[in-house]
Amino acid sequence: AQRVTQPEKLLSVFKGAPVELKCNYSYSGSPELFWYVQYSRQRLQLLLRHISRESIKGFTADLNKGETSFHLKKPFAQEEDSAMYYCALSGGYSTLTFGKGTMLLVSP
Amino acid sequence: DTGVSQNPRHKITKRGQNVTFRCDPISEHNRLYWYRQTLGQGPEFLTYFQNEAQLEKSRLLSDRFSAERPKGSFSTLEIQRTEQGDSAMYLCASSLVTGPDTQYFGPGTRLTVL
Repeated sequence: AQRVTQPEKLLSVFKGAPVELKCNYSYSGSPELFWYVQYSRQRLQLLLRHISRESIKGFTADLNKGETSFHLKKPFAQEEDSAMYYCALSGGYSTLTFGKGTMLLVSP
Repeated sequence: DTGVSQNPRHKITKRGQNVTFRCDPISEHNRLYWYRQTLGQGPEFLTYFQNEAQLEKSRLLSDRFSAERPKGSFSTLEIQRTEQGDSAMYLCASSLVTGPDTQYFGPGTRLTVL
């Protein structure tokens, strides 16, 4: 069975502070990991995927197979980063298994 | 707007009634997915189609739920004899399997069962 755990429901930081949203997964094979974001009143959208190794809006995430983690990081948070963030895993099929999400609040 | 669209956006129904939702994927996307999201949870997979073939169904998809994609374009999700536990946001997503297979989500249909 595959599972994604996001231990924090809410992460509150001040503008300019570093951000780390935690994600741990459980999967016996070789997973593909994603971060999706949902801004207020908008639809769920892909932020980044580990195979792309991109930096989107200053966010990065590294897949650590030893720790089965895929934490999302940004060195300096901006107010516009406030949103709901979901970590997701794709195993042998194309379907996604999502975590419960972490709400990021960036205060001025 | 060329993104995934879903109709209706909101549906309120009484327990025991049948409801049907529609999803129009991004044009030429051959995969279409249905997810359900309840309060405080992430989206949970229900079923997916590649073209018109339904390839996988979750155990969450009870026999009261049925999904179709008759011509490999739009899809419908029907819930028969609705129960209060069916109240949720129903999300549709589509992807192009020959590409990076990124799933693009629709705005969702919020179902409230009274």
